[in-house]
Amino acid sequence: ETGVTQTPRHLVMGMTNKKSLKCEQHLGHNAMYWYKQSAKKPLELMFVYSLEERVENNSVPSRFSPECPNSSHLFLHLHTLQPEDSALYLCASSLFSGIQDTQYFGPGTRLTVL
Amino acid sequence: AQKITQTQPGMFVQEKEAVTLDCTYDTSDPSYGLFWYKQPSSGEMIFLIYQGSYDQQNATEGRYSLNFQKARKSANLVISASQLGDSAMYFCAMRGFGMRFGAGTRLTVKP
Repeated sequence: ETGVTQTPRHLVMGMTNKKSLKCEQHLGHNAMYWYKQSAKKPLELMFVYSLEERVENNSVPSRFSPECPNSSHLFLHLHTLQPEDSALYLCASSLFSGIQDTQYFGPGTRLTVL
Repeated sequence: AQKITQTQPGMFVQEKEAVTLDCTYDTSDPSYGLFWYKQPSSGEMIFLIYQGSYDQQNATEGRYSLNFQKARKSANLVISASQLGDSAMYFCAMRGFGMRFGAGTRLTVKP
């Protein structure tokens, strides 16, 4: 595997379900990100982890719970979601080197909440 | 606060012609980075080109070039010799403290 991978690619869940999204990076980076991309809205940064510590949390509802056990893996735990949470969830990684911090993205997980 | 604006929701270009996608930004950070990403229908965001706020020359990467006008706070993407595979959403982004993305421009290349 190379680059940034995400599983599953598609997920359909009910509002009472609990599920997790997984992201893995094979680039040797030390920062990882979760983004939400809804229809007709700009990409929204949700969480930032640097060296496995959360450094940014943009007022995301508590029904989204991130976990970063090491610099290569990032999870997004989902519970009691709402239909408006249906979106493309993108994971990215970078070297966290300041303004030249190019982020490389995975293919995304298309989430549908029924 | 940082703000990125892409005013063209959609653009059309004839195959083999050049096209310019507009991006303006606003920030109070003295140092920042500007990025362009391509998102095909498959969903993956593909990094295209980077420009640093202190870079003297405009960035180029193959058929992509960035027309950086710091005083106007604009960072337009120029794609030369368009190909059918260039049809996608294009996002401008800025990194200062955080990373902010514009709303995107959908480019369609006509044969």
